Amino acid sequence: GNSVTQMEGPVTLSEEAFLTINCTYTATGYPSLFWYVQYPGEGLQLLLKATKADDKGSNKGFEATYRKETTSFHLEKGSVQVSDSAVYFCALGSQGNLIFGKGTKLSVKP
Amino acid sequence: GAGVSQSPSNKVTEKGKDVELRCDPISGHTALYWYRQRLGQGLEFLIYFQGNSAPDKSGLPSDRFSAERTGESVSTLTIQRTQQEDSAVYLCASSLAPRGTNEKLFFGSGTQLSVL
Repeated sequence: GNSVTQMEGPVTLSEEAFLTINCTYTATGYPSLFWYVQYPGEGLQLLLKATKADDKGSNKGFEATYRKETTSFHLEKGSVQVSDSAVYFCALGSQGNLIFGKGTKLSVKP
Repeated sequence: GAGVSQSPSNKVTEKGKDVELRCDPISGHTALYWYRQRLGQGLEFLIYFQGNSAPDKSGLPSDRFSAERTGESVSTLTIQRTQQEDSAVYLCASSLAPRGTNEKLFFGSGTQLSVL
């Protein structure tokens, strides 16, 4: 069946460091891929998405590229800020179902 | 309201008691979802409403779990005879478009349920 695996957290970085959160998936067909973010005390919100192979989603300095050959959708940001501290969820959408990874907690220290 | 609202934000209950969790979706959103996240686990789908009907209840873990939606608005998730394994964050989400249309989901902040 469909599944999403993302790197275990927590991840702790200093401000302006480079961020990568790995996400790989298993799916039949051609799923859409998403990154959701949950800031402290808030609900999940969509960060970015990609709907087909080689698409790149981007928002707020974050990027992720839909790689069909490696079944990956890694989240990257070149220079993180303290305000990026949150839990990040990778998700797969297929046939009307959304499947989420376990979430990766990111803490950015000044 | 401006976003999806869930109440209560925290609920502590004793094993065996019933609990009701409430979700107020964004006005006009016809689709509504309940998810659960247990500690260290991914989000688990529970149930999907389109309008007031629930075409997909496949994620409800047992017959102790039920949900309803009225007025194409508020939804209530009820857990009867709570067990310790029910402890989790219960998340509600709504979207303007039906499931399967590449819709964008808007999530509430969740209800943290602790069963002692």
